[in-house]
Amino acid sequence: DVKVTQSSRYLVKRTGEKVFLECVQDMDHENMFWYRQDPGLGLRLIYFSYDVKMKEKGDIPEGYSVSREKKERFSLILESASTNQTSMYLCASSPPGDTQYFGPGTRLTVL
Amino acid sequence: QKEVEQNSGPLSVPEGAIASLNCTYSDRGSQSFFWYRQYSGKSPELIMFIYSNGDKEDGRFTAQLNKASQYVSLLIRDSQPSDSATYLCAVSDTGNQFYFGTGTSLTVIP
Repeated sequence: DVKVTQSSRYLVKRTGEKVFLECVQDMDHENMFWYRQDPGLGLRLIYFSYDVKMKEKGDIPEGYSVSREKKERFSLILESASTNQTSMYLCASSPPGDTQYFGPGTRLTVL
Repeated sequence: QKEVEQNSGPLSVPEGAIASLNCTYSDRGSQSFFWYRQYSGKSPELIMFIYSNGDKEDGRFTAQLNKASQYVSLLIRDSQPSDSATYLCAVSDTGNQFYFGTGTSLTVIP
């Protein structure tokens, strides 16, 4: 079974803090993705990566950065957290052109 | 911008009935089509994928694809209360990116 894990299920941070969300997959997938999900807006792609040290901007990259130093790990960084970044963050991985498998999600609250 | 449209619902069906969920997409170059189920507070899980025109059946679930009409649907036969969830349609082109609809909320009434 594909396993995608995320570092935290729930996270509470203060405005201005630097936040790290980590995602690890154990299936040797090339592709990894970060989404945020908000009511009424669906899943919106923040960043994705096709390979180690490769990254591509998604639809809403502003205020975020990513790091992929190892194939199995894809980190999302909020440089200076703001209240409008309160959301559910979902990581996914996939082989090239194939099904995306999601992690359990991190519900982030920024106060 | 590649659009994937779903009726947000909520869609309510009685237990044992057929639930029909619909999705349209804007990009004619789309190649792969996926249905995910998402329970409240959980992450999406894959139910079915379909690549070719026609029907694909898996247990109580049937995916239908009509590329000419840019339309994909999911039928759930003998609906159960445990099927109550939000169903996400996803579409992929020849690349690796997925485009998701906003989801249809389904409630199966016992």
